[in-house]
Amino acid sequence: EIVLTQSPATLSLSPGERATLSCRASQSVTTYLAWYQQKPGQAPRLLIYDASHRATGIPARFSGSGSGTDFTLTISSLEPEDFAIYYCQQRSHRPLMYTFGQGTKLEIK
Amino acid sequence: QVQLVQSGAEVKKPGASVKVSCKASGYTFTGHYIHWVRQAPGQGLEWMGWINPDNGDTNYARKFQGRVTMTRDTSISTAYMDLSSLRSDDTAVYYCSRPGGTPGFFDYWGQGALVTVSS
Repeated sequence: EIVLTQSPATLSLSPGERATLSCRASQSVTTYLAWYQQKPGQAPRLLIYDASHRATGIPARFSGSGSGTDFTLTISSLEPEDFAIYYCQQRSHRPLMYTFGQGTKLEIK
Repeated sequence: QVQLVQSGAEVKKPGASVKVSCKASGYTFTGHYIHWVRQAPGQGLEWMGWINPDNGDTNYARKFQGRVTMTRDTSISTAYMDLSSLRSDDTAVYYCSRPGGTPGFFDYWGQGALVTVSS
């Protein structure tokens, strides 16, 4: 089973700053990786799929990069509504499995 | 627009079973897999499995095999997740979700159903 490890666990930044979140896979997932944002009491929201493609309606300040085992979610200039928990997720084919990272909490400094 | 509407909160005793429903609308129900994901209080997301509404095929995460059953009723565009032999650590919000254009990534989510397991 592929394990996703996110870092840091908590990231404290101010509005307007740049946020860089990391997700590392225990083995290659090529580019089969997504990022989600979750706010308290809400379902997750898909931000990025296939490592670098923004989902419909996602602002351009969100970008994803990486391939193989190392991935990054970058928020270029934080807005107040961006403070939330972020999860990465992978899909693998052999075996057919989907796993999530443990999350990074992005909090206001 | 695509909507997934789930059944309400449940309270169950240890050892019991729970069945959560997920009613789909705004698209062809048989055209997209439905996945189930759960989240224990204050914890992360955990994928449980999927069902293909077209033919009923299922694939369950190893952790839940033997305890989970996913079914569907195409006549009412509804998917179900049945979890048996409940334990206290099954207390969680259970979400149904659906991929969009790219299989395996979840564009659409239900509102979640809280299942509390307590004696």
